[in-house]
Amino acid sequence: KQEVTQIPAALSVPEGENLVLNCSFTDSAIYNLQWFRQDPGKGLTSLLLIQSSQREQTSGRLNASLDKSSGRSTLYIAASQPGDSATYLCVCDNDYKLSFGAGTTVTVRA
Amino acid sequence: GAGVSQSPRYKVAKRGQDVALRCDPISGHVSLFWYQQALGQGPEFLTYFQNEAQLDKSGLPSDRFFAERPEGSVSTLKIQRTQQEDSAVYLCASSLGETANTGELFFGEGSRLTVL
Repeated sequence: KQEVTQIPAALSVPEGENLVLNCSFTDSAIYNLQWFRQDPGKGLTSLLLIQSSQREQTSGRLNASLDKSSGRSTLYIAASQPGDSATYLCVCDNDYKLSFGAGTTVTVRA
Repeated sequence: GAGVSQSPRYKVAKRGQDVALRCDPISGHVSLFWYQQALGQGPEFLTYFQNEAQLDKSGLPSDRFFAERPEGSVSTLKIQRTQQEDSAVYLCASSLGETANTGELFFGEGSRLTVL
């Protein structure tokens, strides 16, 4: 069974600082890995999807890397803003069941 | 619709009541998933549909939980004789692709169930 771990569980940074969120997984036979954002009381919003054949994906200030051999993915958020405050979830797709990490809750202080 | 729509957004039920939660996926999406998210945890898989076929229901916690998607579009998750441990946010997601390399998932805002 795929186990997905996210470290740290919570992070508080001043505005402008770069964020580094870590995700590790036990089963490297993934089809893809997806990063989501979840705001309180809201659903999940897809940020980036990395196919198993890819090493990274970028969208604006976001960059996600994938190293299947070591079972790791990292989400980088450059020049953080208060609007980036949310919980970030890492999701591994081995099959349709998907495996979620518990998330990293980020607070960006103005 | 433009996104995945779930209703009701909030439901308070007395223990023992039956509840029904609705999910309206993005039009044309083949795959539909239900997840249960307890407070402070990541979502846990409940069940998966490919069109109208329920291909996997292994995540349903008990036989009090039942899901259907009769016409391959709207899905309903029904919980009979609700218990306090059923209190959670129930998330629905849909995807254009079929199983294996499912592709990008789109989530609804969830239905928050509180059982008193």
